[in-house]
Amino acid sequence: QVQLVQSGAEVKKPGASVKVSCKASGYTFTSYGISWVRQAPGQGLEWMGWISAYNGNTNYAQKLQGRVTMTTDTSTSTAYMELRSLRSDDTAVYYCAREVAADYWGQGTLVTVSS
Amino acid sequence: EIVLTQSPGTLSLSPGERATLSCRASQSVSSSYLAWYQQKPGQAPRLLIYGASSRATGIPDRFSGSGSGTDFTLTISRLEPEDFAVYYCQQYGSTSAFGQGTKVEIK
Repeated sequence: QVQLVQSGAEVKKPGASVKVSCKASGYTFTSYGISWVRQAPGQGLEWMGWISAYNGNTNYAQKLQGRVTMTTDTSTSTAYMELRSLRSDDTAVYYCAREVAADYWGQGTLVTVSS
Repeated sequence: EIVLTQSPGTLSLSPGERATLSCRASQSVSSSYLAWYQQKPGQAPRLLIYGASSRATGIPDRFSGSGSGTDFTLTISRLEPEDFAVYYCQQYGSTSAFGQGTKVEIK
C-alpha cells in the first residue's frame, strides 16, 4: 500500500532553517512527483511547491521563492523540503503528498517557530 | 497567478440534504486541472475529485464535480454524517493554489 511517512515535529528559532523528510513506499518513487502543502493553525491549505522524483525539476510557489528548496533521494525514495529564514508565520503543519492532484498524503509535520 | 474563491464560507445543512459548493477562479483553469479535497479536524486532506469531474479511487458516487473555465462546483447529493467537514478546491495548471475552503456543518 502507498505510504508517505514524514519526520517528526520541530521547534525552531526565527531565522533558522528546517528540513522535513518524506519517505515513500508502496509505489515506484520516480514515477510520481511530490507536492508540499502547509497549513497554519486554524487556517486553510497553502501549496508550497512540487518536485519531480524522476528528474528533480521543481515548481515553487512565488511567495516562497528563494527560501524553499525541495529535493529527492531516489536511492531511499525520500523527498525533502528545506525552508530557510524562518519567521513566526511559518508555524504550520507541513504535508508531503503524491503528485499535484494529491492522492496520498503524509501524516504531517508540525514546525513551530518561536523565540 | 490564479486565485480561487470558494463560496459559501459555511454551509449549514442536515443529513440527507444536498450540498452545492462553488469554486470560482480569477482566470480560466487550463484543461480543467481542478481538484476537490475533504479535510476533517486533525487529518490530512483527502482527494475527492480531479480533472474537475473524475472521482478519485474509493470515493462514493454521492460526490460529483462539474464545471470548466472559471466556474466549478462540488455536489454532495445526500449528506451522510461523515461528510461534515471542510472542503477545498485546488487548481493545478502551470502552478497550483487552493481556495480558502468551505465548511459544511450540521444544521
